[in-house]
Amino acid sequence: NAGVTQTPKFQVLKTGQSMTLQCAQDMNHEYMSWYRQDPGMGLRLIHYSVGAGITDQGEVPNGYNVSRSTTEDFPLRLLSAAPSQTSVYFCASSYTGTQPQHFGDGTRLSIL
Amino acid sequence: GQQVMQIPQYQHVQEGEDFTTYCNSSTTLSNIQWYKQRPGGHPVFLIQLVKSGEVKKQKRLTFQFGEAKKNSSLHITATQTTDVGTYFCADSWGKLQFGAGTQVVVTP
Repeated sequence: NAGVTQTPKFQVLKTGQSMTLQCAQDMNHEYMSWYRQDPGMGLRLIHYSVGAGITDQGEVPNGYNVSRSTTEDFPLRLLSAAPSQTSVYFCASSYTGTQPQHFGDGTRLSIL
Repeated sequence: GQQVMQIPQYQHVQEGEDFTTYCNSSTTLSNIQWYKQRPGGHPVFLIQLVKSGEVKKQKRLTFQFGEAKKNSSLHITATQTTDVGTYFCADSWGKLQFGAGTQVVVTP
């Protein structure tokens, strides 16, 4: 099993550009989520999904879109990147929202 | 949603010493999960506490859930350099929400 795979690992964008952060898991987990991590702020939940076709907002959803067309994939889209979105992004998955989460290695995103 | 507060934010420990980090909530928690994140790495699950007053041990780490299920603690004995990292608690009330973490620095 590869676990949770995030791509890319690093990305630099210019303000206003769009991009999609990819997340895939091969553990047949129903629950998937996206977090951003900023210094001193811990991990803040952006969006989460309890299964294919179902998504919901977390603490900091503004500026981000998600979709869940398959169980395996949960991409995060930045429609118009802003410097405030410079952060490390982690994707995680588990069988349910109350079960231990398996995290990907993260995507380090810088927006100039 | 529920928020968990972690104290202290930073912990400098001499190798061999003990320390405790705390996770507090103003409301009753469903269950608490603890994670460790090494510098430059991703969070890794350590343990989950579900029952009131529950105590679990993993080698030198002791985890405790408060009787009222409003707080939790992680106690590390005889700290080693491998304990360096940030320790997070997370409340899993349907969706996992993390505290800000305790960053642990170990001095040899």
